[in-house]
This record gives sequence, structure tokens and C-alpha cells, in this order.
Amino acid sequence: AQSVTQLGSHVSVSEGALVLLRCNYSSSVPPYLFWYVQYPNQGLQLLLKYTSAATLVKGINGFEAEFKKSETSFHLTKPSAHMSDAAEYFCAVTKAAGNKLTFGGGTRVLVKP
Amino acid sequence: NAGVTQTPKFRVLKTGQSMTLLCAQDMNHEYMYWYRQDPGMGLRLIHYSVGEGTTAKGEVPDGYNVSRLKKQNFLLGLESAAPSQTSVYFCASQGQGGGRSYGYTFGSGTRLTVV
Repeated sequence: AQSVTQLGSHVSVSEGALVLLRCNYSSSVPPYLFWYVQYPNQGLQLLLKYTSAATLVKGINGFEAEFKKSETSFHLTKPSAHMSDAAEYFCAVTKAAGNKLTFGGGTRVLVKP
Repeated sequence: NAGVTQTPKFRVLKTGQSMTLLCAQDMNHEYMYWYRQDPGMGLRLIHYSVGEGTTAKGEVPDGYNVSRLKKQNFLLGLESAAPSQTSVYFCASQGQGGGRSYGYTFGSGTRLTVV
């Protein structure tokens, strides 16, 4: 069975600082990986996805993630945090096209002025 | 705008009452899902459907029923609401193409309180 672990349920960063959100997965086959963002009182929006093409994936709002097979990781980064990045972020994995996603527990990001 | 629409957005129920949550998508997606989101527990899958007329149980199906009579609609029913079902419910749909997973498109959620 596949699973996702997000390290840190809460992360606090200063405005302008690096944002790093960690995601490790377990999967018996090469996975498809996703990052979603949830702003307060809203649904989840797709930030970016890895589908076995380039290992460095660029998403919306300046975020990117790197797939590292040897580390079974898909960490999300943004070089410079903005106040509007305050939200909850979810990593998700699936093992095949059309399969349901397995979500991590989420990481809530607080951005300090 | 194309997407996933959930109704209602908010609802308060008394224990024992029943209700149906509606999810509608206009993207011709085959797969649809119902999740609940609770503080500290992430997203948990209740039921899902891989096509019109089909449904399957997720990880927390007890107390819920679903139906997918039309491809674009996925209904979630609570026959006898309990306070433990107080949660935010999200519907999602999933499209495929060319053998690649396109992830989910989520609705904006239904906030349900059972008193």
C-alpha cells in the first residue's frame, strides 16, 4: 500500500524567507505525486504534479518540487515567502493513472511579517 | 467556469436527521470521490465512484451512502446524522487521458455541523 508522510504539521517562516515543506512517500511502483494548497475556508487547489517526466517540477505561485527517487521524497520549495502563501499544503501520491490519491496529513504554513 | 460544484455550502443538522450532499462536475470526468476533513486528520476517503452506476467504499464509509446515477453527479447521503459526522466534506473528480493521472479537481466544500 502507498503512503505519504509530511514532516511538520505546522511551519512558520518570515516573509521573504525560503519555504521548505517536506514530503516522503512509499510506493511499490514509480508514483505520480502532487502538491495541493488549501486557503482558509476553501477547497484544495493543485499546485504542481510529477508524472514521470522532468524530476524538477514547477508549479503556480513560484513553487517547485523535486522528485528524488533515492530518497523517496518530493519536497516543496519557494525561494521567497509571501504573506499570501499562508495556507495548508497537502502532498499526495498515486501509483497509476486513474487511481485514487493518498494524502499526507497536511502542513499549515504561517508567514510572519 | 468549469469545475466541481458542491451544494449546500453550510448545513446544521440535529442528531438523527438525514440529508444529501450534492456534487456536480461538468468536465466529463469518470472518477469522483467524497472526502471528509477533520482537524489533525487530513483528508479521509469516504466513498468513491469509477463511473456512472458504480460506487465503492473508502476508508471511513460507515454512516454514509452514495449514488452515481448520472456521470456528472455524485451524491453523499447521511441517513441518521451523528455528532461524529460534524466535518467539512469535499468532493473531487478525476480525469484521465493518455495513460497519465491528472490528479483531482476539488469542490469548495460543505461545512456540516450535527448538534
